[in-house]
Amino acid sequence: LAKTTQPISMDSYEGQEVNITCSHNNIATNDYITWYQQFPSQGPRFIIQGYKTKVTNEVASLFIPADRKSSTLSLPRVSLSDTAVYYCLVGDNFNKFYFGSGTKLNVKP
Amino acid sequence: GAVVSQHPSRVICKSGTSVKIECRSLDFQATTMFWYRQFPKQSLMLMATSNEGSKATYEQGVEKDKFLINHASLTLSTLTVTSAHPEDSSFYICSALSSTGGNQPQHFGDGTRLSIL
Repeated sequence: LAKTTQPISMDSYEGQEVNITCSHNNIATNDYITWYQQFPSQGPRFIIQGYKTKVTNEVASLFIPADRKSSTLSLPRVSLSDTAVYYCLVGDNFNKFYFGSGTKLNVKP
Repeated sequence: GAVVSQHPSRVICKSGTSVKIECRSLDFQATTMFWYRQFPKQSLMLMATSNEGSKATYEQGVEKDKFLINHASLTLSTLTVTSAHPEDSSFYICSALSSTGGNQPQHFGDGTRLSIL
């Protein structure tokens, strides 16, 4: 069973910042939070991973509050090519991932 | 780095045929690989965990005799769909976990579209 809950879909416009929140109330001490992006007919692509506080890389930021029961993926200035499904997963990287529904992000011109 | 390659990317075959799908980690060793199935407009569903040198472990409801998994080396796992039928048509995706351990995330292949006529 998926350990996470996300909004099913979100709409945005080009150039906007998009924040996708994920709930993981039963996250375990050893679990990391990992986000993936999937385009149609492709495998998921790794975006970012974090354990606590804030992580930033060249494409996104990940905000994790102190209780770690949720996390927010932040995509700065999205473009049309960011239209995809975004999955939030929790696990300790040695265990299996059970995918939830993901969030379908639709970026409009 | 961390590239996972699947082959073939697409296969169309007749009902009753067995189909083999390969998953390779190109620039790292993977003790563990995972196989997923994804139906249209649905999320990925974990089918089995493939461990190098040992038997795969299957998720509940996945027939191990139907979906044969072999993980003979640290860079290759194969999934064979035996006696495939139209209901087996799906998008099959593998992922690999680096043997170095630590906080390495899973890396996914680009999937194999299987169509059974």
